[in-house]
Order: sequence, then structure tokens, then C-alpha cells
Amino acid sequence: EVQLVESGGGLVQPGGSLRLSCTASGFMFSNYWMTWVRQVPGKGLEWVANIKQDGSDKYYDNSVKGRFIISRDNADNSLYLQMNSLRADDTAVYYCARDMGEVSIQLWDSWGQGTQVTVSS
Amino acid sequence: EIVLTQSPATLSLSPGERATLSCRASQSVSDYLAWYQQRPGQAPRLLIFDASNRATGTPARFSGSGSGTDFTLTISSLEPEDFATYYCQQRSDWPPLTFGGGTKVEFK
Repeated sequence: EVQLVESGGGLVQPGGSLRLSCTASGFMFSNYWMTWVRQVPGKGLEWVANIKQDGSDKYYDNSVKGRFIISRDNADNSLYLQMNSLRADDTAVYYCARDMGEVSIQLWDSWGQGTQVTVSS
Repeated sequence: EIVLTQSPATLSLSPGERATLSCRASQSVSDYLAWYQQRPGQAPRLLIFDASNRATGTPARFSGSGSGTDFTLTISSLEPEDFATYYCQQRSDWPPLTFGGGTKVEFK
């Protein structure tokens, strides 16, 4: 069974940093693109960043480019999101998600349960 | 950036009724349009991909249609578990990958 478990969320002050983790199991992690999607409570979904199987390609939404860094450790079956210079509008539930196929499809058929990030003083 | 506009924002229906949800793209996305369902407190779930293909486990009462800029998700007869929020998503031209604002299907 595919499982994705996020961790690392919490309360942080504006300008601070946080590192989210997503631990994968039940599939060959190194074979899939992985993605972070966020959702402001009560609002819609927003794609944040994605990363290729070997980490050689990474893409970001403009709203986080230059502040967030996506990375992965295939030996540890883990996906990360380093979030720096956090702002109030980064407050959201952050989901990690797995691509549907082993090529770049950019559809997500497996999701974690999400981790809440709150940026507030 | 491709903007996806969903309508209506809220759909008030009763179990057994037919639901028709719309997603319009600001430019052609060919058939690279997906639909997700999100129940309260849960992660999204992929329902339909490439406009009309049901994902694994999607019941047959869900169908998708359209191409180019106009797409429809139809639920032929609403079951109680279908009352949720639905999002469309395009993968035609990225980054960024974009979602629509969502349509909430609520009990009438």
C-alpha cells in the first residue's frame, strides 16, 4: 500500500524557516516525480513545487521561488521542502503527492494527510 | 499561466440528482485536464484524468468530457459520499501546474 506521511509543520514567525519532510513507503520512491501542494484552510489547492526522480530537475511556483527548496533522498525514501523567509500568506496545509506514473505525468494519485504550517507572530 | 475557472462555486443538490460541474481554461489545455475530489478533512483524490479517463477506483457514475478550453464533470446520480468539493487541474503548460478554484457540491 502506498503511504506518504508528512511531518515538520508548526507555528513559525514571519521571516523564519521550516523544513517539511514526507516519508514514502509501499512503492519504489526513486521511480517517481514528487510534488508539494498546499491549501489555505477553507480555500483551494495550490501547486508549490515538484522534483524529478533523480533530483536533477526542480520547478517552483513563482510565489515561493527563491524562498523554498525542494529536495529528496532516494536512499531514505524521503521528500523535503525547506521553507525560508516565511510570510503570513504561506500559512496552509502542505501535502506531498506522488505522480501517477513513472514518467512525468503531473497528476497525483497518492497524497499524504498534510501538515499544517502557520506563519504568525 | 493558465487560469482555470470553475462554475458554479456551489451546487446545492439532493441525493440521486445529476450534478454538472464546469471548468474553463484561459487557453487551450488540449485534453490535459484532471478532476479531483476532496472531502472535508481529507486529502484530494484523483477522479478523472486527461478529460475523460476514470482513475483507478473511480465509480462509473463519474464522467468527464471536453477538450480545449471547456470541460465538464458529471455525476449521474449523487450518492451521499459524493457531497464534497471538486477541483480541476491542468498539466498542459507548466510551470506552474494550476488548479481551478473548486466547486462545492452540498446537500440541498
